Amino acid sequence: KNEVEQSPQNLTAQEGEFITINCSYSVGISALHWLQQHPGGGIVSLFMLSSGKKKHGRLIATINIQEKHSSLHITASHPRDSAVYICAAHGGGADGLTFGKGTHLIIQP
Amino acid sequence: NAGVTQTPKFRVLKTGQSMTLLCAQDMNHEYMYWYRQDPGMGLRLIHYSVGEGTTAKGEVPDGYNVSRLKKQNFLLGLESAAPSQTSVYFCASSYPGIHYSNQPQHFGDGTRLSIL
Repeated sequence: KNEVEQSPQNLTAQEGEFITINCSYSVGISALHWLQQHPGGGIVSLFMLSSGKKKHGRLIATINIQEKHSSLHITASHPRDSAVYICAAHGGGADGLTFGKGTHLIIQP
Repeated sequence: NAGVTQTPKFRVLKTGQSMTLLCAQDMNHEYMYWYRQDPGMGLRLIHYSVGEGTTAKGEVPDGYNVSRLKKQNFLLGLESAAPSQTSVYFCASSYPGIHYSNQPQHFGDGTRLSIL
């Protein structure tokens, strides 16, 4: 069973700061997912990556397959980025995801 | 397109009652999943389906049953609800992709279920 660990569990930062959330997993995977969950509860897929780096707007996700580690970065953070960010490991095929416990991010104006 | 729709959004049950949660997707996805989310824990997989007429157990299947009679619908049943099943339930779907390559999962908005 894959163990997925995220850090930090909670993060409070000021608007404009550069944010980094880390994720490590114990078993080799097919892909690593980053998800966002807003206070209303809905879950949105941000990234799915199996190697290298992806960028979407102010969000950047990287993965190091050899080290079994991924990071999610937010540049020029904004209060609307406040949410729970969840990483999840995908073993491949029809396998469900194995989730980390999430990072609760608060960006203060 | 609605994406993934879960009904109901909220429900309160008494211990021992039964109910069915419905998940419907309009994206023609083959794979569908039921997860539960509990405070202090990550989402956990209950059951999943790789296509119409097929289901399989996930990490925490006990106390739940599922059915996938139609490709677009995935039902989660609680035969005799217990307080330990108080949780937020999420349905998700995905498409196997060309050569079964990785595809993102699309989530419903969740069902908040309380068992008294």
